[in-house]
Amino acid sequence: NAGVTQTPKFQVLKTGQSMTLQCAQDMNHNSMYWYRQDPGMGLRLIYYSASEGTTDKGEVPNGYNVSRLNKREFSLRLESAAPSQTSVYFCASSEGTSVWETQYFGPGTRLLVL
Amino acid sequence: AQKITQTQPGMFVQEKEAVTLDCTYDTSDPSYGLFWYKQPSSGEMIFLIYQGSYDQQNATEGRYSLNFQKARKSANLVISASQLGDSAMYFCAMREGYDQFYFGTGTSLTVIP
Repeated sequence: NAGVTQTPKFQVLKTGQSMTLQCAQDMNHNSMYWYRQDPGMGLRLIYYSASEGTTDKGEVPNGYNVSRLNKREFSLRLESAAPSQTSVYFCASSEGTSVWETQYFGPGTRLLVL
Repeated sequence: AQKITQTQPGMFVQEKEAVTLDCTYDTSDPSYGLFWYKQPSSGEMIFLIYQGSYDQQNATEGRYSLNFQKARKSANLVISASQLGDSAMYFCAMREGYDQFYFGTGTSLTVIP
C-alpha cells in the first residue's frame, strides 16, 4: 500500500502564481487534512475534510482553497502565492474524526515562493 | 495558551541508553487522544504511539512507551535502548474533538555513538 501520496515533492513559484497540491490516500479513510509546517512552529491545520463532500477551515485557512474530489483525493490550491506561504505542506488522512483516530501523513511538498 | 508544550528543543542521548522526551498538554475536554510522531531528516511524519484519555495503562509500542500522567497533563515519550536511527525530530500532538488536532514545536533528538 502506498498510504498517502503527495505531488509534487518540490515546487518553486513566483509571487502571484497559482498552483494545486495533490493528495491521495489508498487506505479507504474518510477524513483528510492539509497542514503546513514552518520552522519552530510545528504543524498547523489549514483545511480538513471530515468526510467526502465536506470541507472546513482549520487554524490558518487564509490564502488557500481545497477540494475533496472523491473519497481518495483532497487537493489544496493557492490562488495567488505569497512569500509567506513558503512552507512544507503535509496531507494526512484518518479513518474518522474521533479523538482516537490516528492521522497518517504523506511525504510532504516543499514550496518556495519567491 | 499553548495546547501542546514541548520544552526541550534539543536532546542528546548515548546509543543504547534510554531517553525521555517531555510533553505537556492543556485541555478541559475529558475525551482526547495523545500522539507522538517522528520526523527524520528525510521529512516524513511517522506515527509512533497513541494514548487515549480514558486508557488506564500507559501505551507501549516496541521500544516506545508513553508515560501518561493525567493529573499532571503530561504525556512523555520514553525511547528505550536508543539507536542511531532514532535521531530525528519528535512531535507530540493532541486530538480533542473532530476538528481539533494540535502539534507541539518538537524536540530534536541526537543519538551519539
